[in-house]
Amino acid sequence: KAGVTQTPRYLIKTRGQQVTLSCSPISGHRSVSWYQQTPGQGLQFLFEYFSETQRNKGNFPGRFSGRQFSNSRSEMNVSTLELGDSALYLCASSLATGQPQHFGDGTRLSIL
Amino acid sequence: KQEVTQIPAALSVPEGENLVLNCSFTDSAIYNLQWFRQDPGKGLTSLLLIQSSQREQTSGRLNASLDKSSGRSTLYIAASQPGDSATYLCAVSINNQGGKLIFGQGTELSVKP
Repeated sequence: KAGVTQTPRYLIKTRGQQVTLSCSPISGHRSVSWYQQTPGQGLQFLFEYFSETQRNKGNFPGRFSGRQFSNSRSEMNVSTLELGDSALYLCASSLATGQPQHFGDGTRLSIL
Repeated sequence: KQEVTQIPAALSVPEGENLVLNCSFTDSAIYNLQWFRQDPGKGLTSLLLIQSSQREQTSGRLNASLDKSSGRSTLYIAASQPGDSATYLCAVSINNQGGKLIFGQGTELSVKP
């Protein structure tokens, strides 16, 4: 069974640009969550989607947005990139609330 | 506001030693607690999940315990091996916040041959 797939693995952008990251969950998983990991702040929750609806949102500015499609695949968008957005962005999927979350290998985003 | 703390931040042990990693949380109203390992440059691998009604879970050489009332969990690793070297993270989910996980800062484990 394929795991969580995130694309691309690496991205380099400049300040002011926007970026879209993609996540394909494990087959049958309907919940997808996104996290930002930085050396200073650790892992921080961005948002969660379930059946195409945003169910939870973390404390990030409106520049961070996401969506989920009918096949449960999810995308995350960051607009007007800032240097502080450089991080590893991780996606996780689960069958339902209370079930283990399974993570992809992440997208490493570097802002120049 | 829920906060998760892991002590120690780093740990180095010789191969074969049994060890305990600690995780504490400030609000006992958790839904479950999950332990992960993260290898450098990789995502997180789920190790064990303990529901709030459970006291412990075991998988192979790993045993995780949960004491909700005191806000503590421990991950016990028996007979450590160099392949166990990684960062270990604990995370809690909150009753009314669905799949949102709140993570500790992790314990970086190094097992020396």
